Amino acid sequence: QSALTQPASVSGSPGQSITISCTGTSSDIGSYNLVSWYQQHPGEVPKVMIYEDSKRPSGVADRFSGFKSGNTASLTISGLQPEDEADYFCCSYGGSNTYVFGTGTKVTVL
Amino acid sequence: QLQLQESGPGLVKPSETLSLTCTVSGGSISSSSFYWGWIRQPPGKGLEWIGGVYHSGNTYYSPSLKSRVTISIDTSKNQFSLKLKSVTAADTAVYYCARRGYYDSSGHYSPDVFEIWGQGTRVTVSP
Repeated sequence: QSALTQPASVSGSPGQSITISCTGTSSDIGSYNLVSWYQQHPGEVPKVMIYEDSKRPSGVADRFSGFKSGNTASLTISGLQPEDEADYFCCSYGGSNTYVFGTGTKVTVL
Repeated sequence: QLQLQESGPGLVKPSETLSLTCTVSGGSISSSSFYWGWIRQPPGKGLEWIGGVYHSGNTYYSPSLKSRVTISIDTSKNQFSLKLKSVTAADTAVYYCARRGYYDSSGHYSPDVFEIWGQGTRVTVSP
């Protein structure tokens, strides 16, 4: 069960859209519609932004959206805001009550 | 409002056993809906799922840590615990406890999301 692969960093200017990819395998992302995304500001606790590939918990801005195709999931932030600068981690169910997280992506707002 | 709080030693010697407890307040750990998990984050690195436990005591572990990990639950104390044996410097990390499971505003339950997290506790493995 290897970590899901994410780009180390993604950047964008305020107002732009960025997309973070998360690549797994047919044993995790490809087998279930159960990818979640977490935002983590420095020194803070991770916060769920997306679950079940594309659902947003209450309170999460609608500029955050999730998508999945095959073994790759993605998180798009539309209308990038300064407060979106953080680390983002994907997570997938891996079967048999196991989970695997992604390597993490640092988002920088230029 | 449900809260989770980790506790335990911040320093563990190599080859010894790391022991942490997560105390749940503001709700019952005995709910059959939820699963209680441990996740860690080495300094400057990503998150790693360690394992979890149901109120029944059924446990699930990361394959890479399975030989060294034990997670247990004490419903009478509203706590669950992590033991990681034979630690090395590679086990130095912030350890989080978390509740897996989420009810949306319409009452629909989604199990596969870590909604509520503890603040995390830093554990250093060093002589």
